[in-house]
Amino acid sequence: SQTIHQWPATLVQPVGSPLSLECTVEGTSNPNLYWYRQAAGRGLQLLFYSVGIGQISSEVPQNLSASRPQDRQFILSSKKLLLSDSGFYLCAWSVGTGELFFGEGSRLTVL
Amino acid sequence: GESVGLHLPTLSVQEGDNSIINCAYSNSASDYFIWYKQESGKGPQFIIDIRSNMDKRQGQRVTVLLNKTVKHLSLQIAATQPGDSAVYFCAENIQGAQKLVFGQGTRLTINP
Repeated sequence: SQTIHQWPATLVQPVGSPLSLECTVEGTSNPNLYWYRQAAGRGLQLLFYSVGIGQISSEVPQNLSASRPQDRQFILSSKKLLLSDSGFYLCAWSVGTGELFFGEGSRLTVL
Repeated sequence: GESVGLHLPTLSVQEGDNSIINCAYSNSASDYFIWYKQESGKGPQFIIDIRSNMDKRQGQRVTVLLNKTVKHLSLQIAATQPGDSAVYFCAENIQGAQKLVFGQGTRLTINP
């Protein structure tokens, strides 16, 4: 069966520090991978998606970047965090244009 | 379309009553729709989906209705239980795109 792992689950970082959130999927090949952000009490905002290794599509201009070094690995990064980067980050995968399967999320607090 | 900056609308119902959560989508080329449930501090979980060639689909205690004429989607939950309290999101897949676009979300509270 397919599983998705996302870490760390919680993170408290100072403004200006770097960020790395990692997501891996098991049990499937060549998935589409996604990073979403959710501010407290708000909806889901698509940040990045990838349909293959090294292929990254950015949805909104921002302080973040994404990379896909391996087929089932998706990394969200920042060189210098801003206060506005605080939120709940969700990794997800799909096969084609079907259902999205979400990880358990990473809660980032920037102080 | 996305309304990620807005506060979530809320809906409160009594335990045992039926609830209806509504969603308006924006793109007439959307061909696939999903309802997700998100409990506090967790990732969204799939509830039910429907393709654009259907107007109704039923699951266990849940029914999704699709009205393509007015681009409207609804989720009906029958005989609500305390465990149904969560935020519910609709999502649309635009034909040919490789991504889901999420609606604003609705916070459902079940009162005992």
